[in-house]
Amino acid sequence: DGGITQSPKYLFRKEGQNVTLSCEQNLNHDAMYWYRQDPGQGLRLIYYSQIVNDFQKGDIAEGYSVSREKKESFPLTVTSAQKNPTAFYLCASSPRLTGNTEAFFGQGTRLTVV
Amino acid sequence: DQQVKQNSPSLSVQEGRISILNCDYTNSMFDYFLWYKKYPAEGPTFLISISSIKDKNEDGRFTVFLNKSAKHLSLHIVPSQPGDSAVYFCAAHAGGTSYGKLTFGQGTILTVHP
Repeated sequence: DGGITQSPKYLFRKEGQNVTLSCEQNLNHDAMYWYRQDPGQGLRLIYYSQIVNDFQKGDIAEGYSVSREKKESFPLTVTSAQKNPTAFYLCASSPRLTGNTEAFFGQGTRLTVV
Repeated sequence: DQQVKQNSPSLSVQEGRISILNCDYTNSMFDYFLWYKKYPAEGPTFLISISSIKDKNEDGRFTVFLNKSAKHLSLHIVPSQPGDSAVYFCAAHAGGTSYGKLTFGQGTILTVHP
């Protein structure tokens, strides 16, 4: 089945540690995105990528880093510089970056800093 | 600066009745609007969309209305079912150089009572 796979579903991190969230898609989509959801807030864009080896900062990129070495994969690293990393992280993809198209989401990763 | 706003955090409706979820936006460059449904600890799933060249789009029990002059859109669910209980997010896309990224509202929790 085609889809977006995020792993792990739950992740615990100690303060001061970097952690990497995985996102893989087999939909052959060009564009991929990372969003963050906090209670009572909408989804906020962290980073997005329209093509391999290219990515752009979203609205809240500070403390995060990404890479896009393969079309299928768009991992997100939450660094120790991120002040409030506890959140629900969602990866998404869309078939093309421009034009009218919906984004398809993975099941999310709940990150908790302990 | 919240460019997409869902001013009602929650909505409670009786089964069989109509649910109306509202969304306002401020950015005149938005030209494509989407509604997503989300269950706890899961990724959002796409429901329905509308282009700015239309004022209505219908898909089964779901209808989205767009009032461009008021910068307002609404999602109607008729008849409402208990399985519709979820968080509903309004999202908007601006064409041109925004590269297809979506701006989300804060979400509205819909509860449909049997």
